[in-house]
Amino acid sequence: QKEVEQNSGPLSVPEGAIASLNCTYSDRGSQSFFWYRQYSGKSPELIMFIYSNGDKEDGRFTAQLNKASQYVSLLIRDSQPSDSATYLCAVKSATGNQFYFGTGTSLTVIP
Amino acid sequence: EAEVAQSPRYKITEKSQAVAFWCDPISGHATLYWYRQILGQGPELLVQFQDESVVDDSQLPKDRFSAERLKGVDSTLKIQPAELGDSAMYLCASSLSFNYGYTFGSGTRLTVV
Repeated sequence: QKEVEQNSGPLSVPEGAIASLNCTYSDRGSQSFFWYRQYSGKSPELIMFIYSNGDKEDGRFTAQLNKASQYVSLLIRDSQPSDSATYLCAVKSATGNQFYFGTGTSLTVIP
Repeated sequence: EAEVAQSPRYKITEKSQAVAFWCDPISGHATLYWYRQILGQGPELLVQFQDESVVDDSQLPKDRFSAERLKGVDSTLKIQPAELGDSAMYLCASSLSFNYGYTFGSGTRLTVV
């Protein structure tokens, strides 16, 4: 079982819609969760992090964490074509200092 | 905005040759990571430094890969000899400490022919 699992997609949403990206993790003791956006051919950039159960909002982005279900999600409201990218979920291990990355979900926002 | 500097951006090398990548983290970032990302996959950790010390190199293929951060600032990742399967994006990242998210450099795209 992989440490972090994401649906690889591709996920397509129309411009202006809400995009929902999901991630599950296996290490129940994990405390830190991150979402990175990666444009094709570019390096990942950090867009959100969340440590506590519940929702965390930053502009059009909302991260949601449910530690009991070992589930973290990213909602993108009012999706724009510029949001088209691969979104990587990263989880910090409970016992070590390593971050585990999922394989990413490819998002396409259709104008 | 502070950046993680990496060079070169692109590298093409023949198999069995040696290749080296360089990374200069954001000033003040004690933790430095080298990741490898194969197309279509997530980044996988190769080595992690805290200052000049290696914290984790359990996934580094030590028969051909080596990494150093001699003065606790910039770092070099070397592959010798390169193999076709080493073709990937090599990403350097740094952070203030273990609990913070990373800032990635622009990466080095390696193609082994």
